[in-house]
Amino acid sequence: GNSVTQMEGPVTLSEEAFLTINCTYTATGYPSLFWYVQYPGEGLQLLLKATKADDKGSNKGFEATYRKETTSFHLEKGSVQVSDSAVYFCALTGLDTGRRALTFGSGTRLQVQP
Amino acid sequence: NAGVTQTPKFRILKIGQSMTLQCTQDMNHNYMYWYRQDPGMGLKLIYYSVGAGITDKGEVPNGYNVSRSTTEDFPLRLELAAPSQTSVYFCASSYSGPSSYEQYFGPGTRLTVT
Repeated sequence: GNSVTQMEGPVTLSEEAFLTINCTYTATGYPSLFWYVQYPGEGLQLLLKATKADDKGSNKGFEATYRKETTSFHLEKGSVQVSDSAVYFCALTGLDTGRRALTFGSGTRLQVQP
Repeated sequence: NAGVTQTPKFRILKIGQSMTLQCTQDMNHNYMYWYRQDPGMGLKLIYYSVGAGITDKGEVPNGYNVSRSTTEDFPLRLELAAPSQTSVYFCASSYSGPSSYEQYFGPGTRLTVT
């Protein structure tokens, strides 16, 4: 079946540090890939997405590239801020077009210290 | 637009009690979903609906029921609450276009069963 594996957290960084959160997936075909962010006490918000191989999704300084050869979709940001502290979820969909449900990774908590 | 709204935000139930979690969206989306999020885990799909009058089971449907009488509303029913149903519940919706897989999430309902 489909699955998403993320690096375990928490990830603790100082402000302006470089961020990488690893995400790999197992699926057949060509899923769409997403990063969602969950701020404390809130629901999930879409951060970025990529729908085909070699696509790069980007938003708010975050980037992720759809790498089919390595089945990866790593999240990066060049300079994190305290306001980026949240839980980040990697997810995929598109394989089961009947329901289009998301398969989530377990989430990675990011803590950015001033 | 309010997007996806959920009520209540918090609820404590005793074992064996019943309740309905409400979910409403005002984006005219055909697809709607219920997920549960357990501590330190990703979201798991409980039930989904591809349109009014059509519902189907997800990965973890036991102990829950749903209905979809209108496009806007997708309530989740717990008939006999058990401690294993202590979780945060998220409702989501998405457009049914051919390449639209982005889901919009509500703020969640935190349920405790004691």
